[in-house]
Amino acid sequence: RKEVEQDPGPFNVPEGATVAFNCTYSNSASQSFFWYRQDCRKEPKLLMSVYSSGNEDGRFTAQLNRASQYISLLIRDSKLSDSATYLCVVNMDGDMRFGAGTRLTVKP
Amino acid sequence: DADVTQTPRNRITKTGKRIMLECSQTKGHDRMYWYRQDPGLGLRLIYYSFDVKDINKGEISDGYSVSRQAQAKFSLSLESAIPNQTALYFCATSVTGQDGYTFGSGTRLTVV
Repeated sequence: RKEVEQDPGPFNVPEGATVAFNCTYSNSASQSFFWYRQDCRKEPKLLMSVYSSGNEDGRFTAQLNRASQYISLLIRDSKLSDSATYLCVVNMDGDMRFGAGTRLTVKP
Repeated sequence: DADVTQTPRNRITKTGKRIMLECSQTKGHDRMYWYRQDPGLGLRLIYYSFDVKDINKGEISDGYSVSRQAQAKFSLSLESAIPNQTALYFCATSVTGQDGYTFGSGTRLTVV
């Protein structure tokens, strides 16, 4: 089992749609969690941290389910500019472990 | 200027050649990291350093070496490049390791 597992997609959605990504992780002792966004051939950029109580930043909502060892990212009212690969990142024993990413394409 | 700068941006080299990838940062972070990214595999950690005198192997350190010349500089070397080291390489920095990372814009390396 991979340490951090994501559905690779691609997710192809129309503008305005709501889309959700899940990510599962193997280490139940993991302490911190993040979502990064990566545009094609560019560096990953921190989108948001994921807190136990769940957190929201505009159209983006992140949630953590420790019991089931997964985190999720919900994007509401998708924009063309949301097209990117979304990386799930989990801090395990002090090391960041990256998922392979989920590719999202938002179409007009 | 970018907070984390990587040079070169692109490089094509021949099998067996020695090559160095450089990373410098202006964020004042102590922690620096080198990752490689391959399609479908996500980022994998090659080496990391928590300060100038600290060097640690990551998940895939074989075939690579690093040097932390100063707090702001962390270079990655391939002593004898091989084709399966063709990848996108990223340098990153962080404050505590528990916070988010800041990445450089990457070096696309092709070994032929």
